[in-house]
Parts: sequence; structure tokens; C-alpha cells
Amino acid sequence: LAKTTQPISMDSYEGQEVNITCSHNNIATNDYITWYQQFPSQGPRFIIQGYKTKVTNEVASLFIPADRKSSTLSLPRVSLSDTAVYYCLVWTGGFKTIFGAGTRLFVKA
Amino acid sequence: DAMVIQNPRYQVTQFGKPVTLSCSQTLNHNVMYWYQQKSSQAPKLLFHYYDKDFNNEADTPDNFQSRRPNTSFCFLDIRSPGLGDTAMYLCATSPRVGGNTEAFFGQGTRLTVV
Repeated sequence: LAKTTQPISMDSYEGQEVNITCSHNNIATNDYITWYQQFPSQGPRFIIQGYKTKVTNEVASLFIPADRKSSTLSLPRVSLSDTAVYYCLVWTGGFKTIFGAGTRLFVKA
Repeated sequence: DAMVIQNPRYQVTQFGKPVTLSCSQTLNHNVMYWYQQKSSQAPKLLFHYYDKDFNNEADTPDNFQSRRPNTSFCFLDIRSPGLGDTAMYLCATSPRVGGNTEAFFGQGTRLTVV
């Protein structure tokens, strides 16, 4: 299973774009990159998933360079309610969802 | 609308007294997971089921057991809880095997061992 490395914490202000980069140097050919969001006292929630290039949904964008050794979650115009822990995961087509340490995002007014 | 439901949301148990946490799903997913999440830490996978096939993580203590009587329900049994087992316990499901899938989590059960 590929190991992921993320910043421990980040600060931002309301209305700004936030980019969280995840390093996964040992990613395998069949691995997908997935991001989850977790609020205090709640279960993680799926945000976005990708394999290569760029993926966008109503919540976020995910940028994956050609070598796939890193990925960047982009949150446009964050609000106070985006304060949460963001987890980057990679795993091969198996059963497991293994979490890394996560990035604590603090959004300030 | 809740798709993965965990009961109870909060549980207090005495040291050494067996406790069971429950999880149900309305998604009809093949795979169900149990995670342990201690304060300020990432969720840690304890075990998972693929249908009825049980898969234990190598470092999951023997004190933790699980049952899946049918597709919809899964239970976590802690036979003799210790103070170190105080944590949030998360149940999750996913529809299939494969990297291009997502896991759906319940709200969790916060267990306190006193």
C-alpha cells in the first residue's frame, strides 16, 4: 500500500482558494487517489477521486501530474464550514481504505 | 436518508465489561469495515468483510471481534475493554472491490471505557 504524506495543518481565510498537496511516491499503476473530509465527531466523507490529470466536481478539484507521485486537492473560496481534517488516500484495487495522518485546515473569518 | 447507521452514538462501559457496537446499511454494499479513531488521530482499520469473508488486520488485538449475520448488519464486539480502547469507532461500506470506489461512513460510536 502506498504511503501518503501531507502537511499536518494549514490556515486560510474565508473566500480564499486552498490547495492541499499530498505526496505518494510509491503509487502503483492500479492505485486511485481519493480525498476525504472529516468534521469533529463525524465519520469521514468522500470528496473526490482521480487517477490522472484533473477531476472536478461541485465541491473540489483534484490535480494529478503525469508521474502521479503527488496530487493536489483544491478547494475554491473556502468558508468557515470547510474547517476540517482532509485525508489523502491511495490504494490498489483491493478492499482496504487506509488513512494517512491528514491535514487540519483552519479557515478564519 | 442515513445510509450507514451506527448505534449507539455514545457508549460508556466499565473496564472489562463486554460491549457491542452495531452498524447497519441500506446500500446493499458487499464490503463493510470497522475503524478505530482515537483523539486527534487518523482512523485505523481493524477489519473488514467482503460478503461473509472476514479479514482481520495483523495488528488488531484479539480483544476485538466482529460478526456480520447478513448483508445489512455488522457488529463490533469488544470482549474486555481497556481504558486504551476509548475511541470513536467508525463503520463504513463500499460497493465493490477496486481502487475506483469510495467508502461510505457512519456517524460513529464514541466509546468511553471507565
